[in-house]
Amino acid sequence: EIVLTQSPATLSLSPGERATLSCRASQSISSYLAWYQQKPGQAPRLLIYDASNRATGIPARFSGSGSGTDFTLTISSLEPEDYAVYYCQQRSSWPPFNFGPGTTVDIK
Amino acid sequence: QVQLEESGGGVVQPGGSLRLSCAASGFTFSTRAMHWVRQAPGKGLEWVAVISYDGSNTYYTDSVKGRLTISRDNSKNTLYLQMNSLRGDDTAVYYCYCGSTGSGYYLEWGVDYWGQGTLVTVSS
Repeated sequence: EIVLTQSPATLSLSPGERATLSCRASQSISSYLAWYQQKPGQAPRLLIYDASNRATGIPARFSGSGSGTDFTLTISSLEPEDYAVYYCQQRSSWPPFNFGPGTTVDIK
Repeated sequence: QVQLEESGGGVVQPGGSLRLSCAASGFTFSTRAMHWVRQAPGKGLEWVAVISYDGSNTYYTDSVKGRLTISRDNSKNTLYLQMNSLRGDDTAVYYCYCGSTGSGYYLEWGVDYWGQGTLVTVSS
């Protein structure tokens, strides 16, 4: 089973700052990784799929990179609506289609 | 307009049963693999199960095997999760989810359809 770890657990940043979130897989998953955003009381929303492709309607300030075991989600300049929890998920080897434990981006 | 609407959540005693439903509309349900994902209160997302477009194949996370059963009725555009032998750690919001365009892959993130979730509480 592939295990995903995310770091840091919490990221405290001010609006306008750059956010860099990490997701690491326990073995190579090629580029089969997605990033989701979740706000309180809402379902998750897909941001990035296959490591670097923005989903429909996602602003350009969100970008993804990486392959193999190390992946990064970057938010170039934080907007007030970006404060949320971010999860990665893999589809390389399943079941299960595991999620990472999440990174909370909160206001500094 | 795509809609996934879960129902059937509630409070159930440990060892009890519950059946969740997810009514789909606005897309070709019968051609898509469908998933259940859950989230315990204050915790992260946990993938639970997936079913093929025609119901012929199902896969589960280890912790629910033998207790939870995913199924579908394509004539009713509805996904189900039969939950038996429920335990306290099954307490969660349960989401139905579609991440397939009908390409044959169980998940390729070509679409991103989520329900609003239904809360299952296992407590005596």
